[in-house]
This record gives sequence, structure tokens and C-alpha cells, in this order.
Amino acid sequence: NAGVMQNPRHLVRRRGQEARLRCSPMKGHSHVYWYRQLPEEGLKFMVYLQKENIIDESGMPKERFSAEFPKEGPSILRIQQVVRGDSAAYFCASSPPTSGYNEQFFGPGTRLTVL
Amino acid sequence: GQQLNQSPQSMFIQEGEDVSMNCTSSSIFNTWLWYKQDPGEGPVLLIALYKAGELTSNGRLTAQFGITRKDSFLNISASIPSDVGIYFCAGLGGSSNTGKLIFGQGTTLQVKP
Repeated sequence: NAGVMQNPRHLVRRRGQEARLRCSPMKGHSHVYWYRQLPEEGLKFMVYLQKENIIDESGMPKERFSAEFPKEGPSILRIQQVVRGDSAAYFCASSPPTSGYNEQFFGPGTRLTVL
Repeated sequence: GQQLNQSPQSMFIQEGEDVSMNCTSSSIFNTWLWYKQDPGEGPVLLIALYKAGELTSNGRLTAQFGITRKDSFLNISASIPSDVGIYFCAGLGGSSNTGKLIFGQGTTLQVKP
């Protein structure tokens, strides 16, 4: 009965490199959400996806950031040409189709450090 | 956009004391959620509230969905050292009903044994 899984837990990148964050939702969950947390702050919504569809990406920066949730495999949050300001904890959450998006269960997060 | 104001920002209490924290918003929410986050971990869902006026308990935790749908509070009774952490309220729905959780700034709780 595994929860939401994220990897890697820690990721270090140099400026200009690409960061790829993976999220496997809980078994049976078909809704995935990505949030970003800066130190000493609450979580900020980035994007909401269902299998093969982006439902709401209103929190995603317009450039360098993209997300996908393919039919098979984990959801991926990709950050191209990372900058120091991208350093943060990135959390994935999932929810079951029956409850809609009312109960979101979070993974342990990926801590991204950009040098 | 929608914002949540969570207070207090931090609390330092004695073991055994009761704790209360709340969130307010200028916007209406359809669902209120309360999470706890330990250092280096993701938020863990504590309580979910779906109806205005609803009062829900989970062990020593009690939360209420405000009647105006613009606020919620969380109470912790008889605090113990493992209650230490950051507590977040989160609102869902209202004008933006797309699964986008709006989080408060968090309440950091410290418990002195």
C-alpha cells in the first residue's frame, strides 16, 4: 500500500542544466498535482494533470517548465536551463478519481538545489 | 487571486496544553484541508472538511469549516512532543474549481516537554 513516490529525493544541478523530477501516484489514483515550496513558505500550486492531459497549468512559469503524465509511467516535471531561483522543494500529490480532487495525498518531495 | 491568512505564525507551548490555529480568506472555499509537515517530508493530510459548519475530529485533533465558508480552525488537545511540526490549512474550490489547493503560510508548533 505504497503512498505517493517521488524521485530523486535530492537533486543538485548547475545553472543551465535540466532537472527532471518524477512522481508515481498512489495505486488507483489518476489525478496528479505538482506544488513548489520555498523555504519558510507554504506550497504553491503549479499544475494539475490527469492521464495524458493537462487540466490546469495556471501556476506553471511560462518558460522552461513543463509537465506530463503519460498513459504509462510516472508523471514528470521538467525544468530546463535551471537558475538559482528554481531551488526549492517540489511536491507531487495524487487523488483518486472517485473523490475528484478533494483529498490530495502528498509525496516526500524532491529538493532541488541549483549551484 | 485567492489567498489564505493563517495564524498564528508560530507557537511555543508546554506539553499537555491545548492549541488553536485558524485560517481566513476573503474568498469562499468548498473544501478545507489541514496538513502537518515534518522537516524534510511532504505534508500529511490530517482532516478534510466538505460542508459549511462541519465539525470533524481525528483523535486529539478537531477542525471546523466556518459557516461563511471563508474560514476554518484546527484545535489540538493535550499536546505531546510528537505534535511538533508545521501545520498548513489549504482551501479548495470556490471561484477556481480545478483541483488547485491554496495553502496558508503555515503555523510552526513547538512543544516543550
